[in-house]
Amino acid sequence: AQSVTQLGSHVSVSEGALVLLRCNYSSSVPPYLFWYVQYPNQGLQLLLKYTTGATLVKGINGFEAEFKKSETSFHLTKPSAHMSDAAEYFCAVSRYSSGYSTLTFGKGTMLLVSP
Amino acid sequence: GAVVSQHPSWVICKSGTSVKIECRSLDFQATTMFWYRQFPKQSLMLMATSNEGSKATYEQGVEKDKFLINHASLTLSTLTVTSAHPEDSSFYICSALTGETQYFGPGTRLLVL
Repeated sequence: AQSVTQLGSHVSVSEGALVLLRCNYSSSVPPYLFWYVQYPNQGLQLLLKYTTGATLVKGINGFEAEFKKSETSFHLTKPSAHMSDAAEYFCAVSRYSSGYSTLTFGKGTMLLVSP
Repeated sequence: GAVVSQHPSWVICKSGTSVKIECRSLDFQATTMFWYRQFPKQSLMLMATSNEGSKATYEQGVEKDKFLINHASLTLSTLTVTSAHPEDSSFYICSALTGETQYFGPGTRLLVL
């Protein structure tokens, strides 16, 4: 069974500061990992994903994440926060069965950005 | 690319009526689509997996007779909430699978009075 743990339901940063959102996973097979962002009253937008290959993955809006197998982590970072980054962020791990992949989501982390 | 739409974006209905929500993949074909429910300030809960041309697979605890899913084409899946009650009020989000990635629709907010 797979699971995802996101440390911290809320993270507050100042504009221009480093953003670090933590995600740890458990998976019995090599995982596919995803970060999604959700703005209020909207669906989820894919930020980035790791499937195979390079462990440092770059996504949209300046975000990146590094897959660390030894730490079972996939933390999301951005060097400099912008006010528009304020949103809910979800980490997810995929599971392949019955011919397709399903996602298991973490509980989400709300990123708050102050001026 | 990989755009998913949902219609309607919000709906208010009376208790006992049925509501249909459409999920469309606009620029790709999706054999598999998913329906999620999200309660305020919580994560997404997978309700069911919709496969084109076959019956949907429901997650444990989801009433298949209440939440009817039809995936009649490679670009359209529908969720019908039958005999809706106030406790069905929620944010419903669909996604469409291409390769190993799910792309999500903008969601439909349902309010049952």
